[in-house]
Amino acid sequence: EDQVTQSPEALRLQEGESSSLNCSYTVSGLRGLFWYRQDPGKGPEFLFTLYSAGEEKEKERLKATLTKKESFLHITAPKPEDSATYLCAVQTGNQFYFGTGTSLTVIP
Amino acid sequence: GAVVSQHPSWVICKSGTSVKIECRSLDFQATTMFWYRQFPKQSLMLMATSNEGSKATYEQGVEKDKFLINHASLTLSTLTVTSAHPEDSSFYICSARGGGSSNQPQHFGDGTRLSIL
Repeated sequence: EDQVTQSPEALRLQEGESSSLNCSYTVSGLRGLFWYRQDPGKGPEFLFTLYSAGEEKEKERLKATLTKKESFLHITAPKPEDSATYLCAVQTGNQFYFGTGTSLTVIP
Repeated sequence: GAVVSQHPSWVICKSGTSVKIECRSLDFQATTMFWYRQFPKQSLMLMATSNEGSKATYEQGVEKDKFLINHASLTLSTLTVTSAHPEDSSFYICSARGGGSSNQPQHFGDGTRLSIL
């Protein structure tokens, strides 16, 4: 059964304390893995697409990596404005599967 | 680039009213659009997928006569909640995906908060 699991469910970090969010997937025929950021009351904002194991993408304090079983979103020296829910989604065929997200809170 | 506009952002109406939500891709042609429903502190629940000029494909358990989807052009899709009842109150989000490569990301609108009294 195709499945996407994100962990942890919630994460509290001090400003400047680096950490990683995990997205594990079990799908057949990965076509793409997508990371999004969602602020309360808003739609998800696209961050990255990863297509194959070993691929990495970076944007400011965020870096996404991909293996054959999981993806990590690394947050380096986070700031309070990085507080949000981070969603990952996996595409197989024309189907998209979303994880339930990690709620990140960065404390000043 | 890849901006999706959703309107209205908030609507409150009486039970029995029909409500239309618009989703527009502003700077790209959306061959596929998706409609989601999101409950508080939960992930996105896919309701239906629509391709321009075709009938929408609804997920299991979603009433197609209640949630009417029209994707008449490459930049516009609408979701009409017919005869809305309080249990239809939710956050509805659309997304759009362009053509070209078939593994492009979805780009999301900012959602519509629907409250039925």
